[in-house]
Amino acid sequence: ELVLTQSPGTLSLSPGERATLSCRASQSVSSSYLAWYQQKPGQAPRLLVYGPSTRGPGVPDRFSGGGSGTDFTLTISRLEPEDFAVYYCQQYDNSQWTFGRGTKVEIK
Amino acid sequence: QVQLRESGPGLVKPSQTLSLTCTVSSGSISSGSYYWSWIRQPAGKGLEWIGHISTSGSTNYSPSLKSRVTISIDTSKNQFSLKLSSVTAADTAVYYCARNYYGSGMYYFDSWGQGTLVTVSS
Repeated sequence: ELVLTQSPGTLSLSPGERATLSCRASQSVSSSYLAWYQQKPGQAPRLLVYGPSTRGPGVPDRFSGGGSGTDFTLTISRLEPEDFAVYYCQQYDNSQWTFGRGTKVEIK
Repeated sequence: QVQLRESGPGLVKPSQTLSLTCTVSSGSISSGSYYWSWIRQPAGKGLEWIGHISTSGSTNYSPSLKSRVTISIDTSKNQFSLKLSSVTAADTAVYYCARNYYGSGMYYFDSWGQGTLVTVSS
C-alpha cells in the first residue's frame, strides 16, 4: 500500500517568506499522478498543482510543484495572507487514490 | 464549470447505513475522462478517499472500507451515490463528493462539492 508522508506537519512563517513543503512516497511513483491541494477552514480542498508542476485553473504563479520518484515538493515563493492553510499531496496508484496527512502553514 | 452538491441525512444511528447522493450540475456526468469519488474528513483530520465509480459503473474502493461501501451512478439523473453500512462513531466526518480527471497521463481531483457533515450517534 502506497503511503505519502508530508513534512513538516506545521510550518510557521511570516507573509512574504518562502514556504517549501515536502511529500515523500513509500515507493517510487509516476510524477504525472502527483497533485497538491489547498484547504482552508470550512472549505473543500482546492486543486493547486498536478502532474506534478502544472498549476490548476486560476492558481497564482507563486505556487510551484516539482519532484520525481519518491520526493515531491510544493513551493510558495512569497506567502500572501490568503495562503495560510493546510496543504495535501495526493497520488494515484493501482486504481487507488492516496492523500498525505497534510502540512499546515500558519502565520508566525 | 461543473458543480457538485452532496445531500443526505446529517445524523445516522450506529449500525445503520449512511446514504448520500451527489448531484452534478453544469455538465454531464457521462462525458469526458472522469471518475466520480467520495472522500471523507473527520473533524481536525486529513482526507480519506472512500472509492470511485466510472461512468460505465465500474468501481474501486479503499481496502479499509471495501466491505462496507457501495457506490452507484445514475446517469439519467446526473447523480452518483454512496452507501456505507454498519456505521459507528468512527464514521462521523464531513463527506465530500468530487470529480477525478484522468487523461494525458494525469490523475487528480479537479472539482469538489462543498461537503456535508454526517454524525453517527444514537
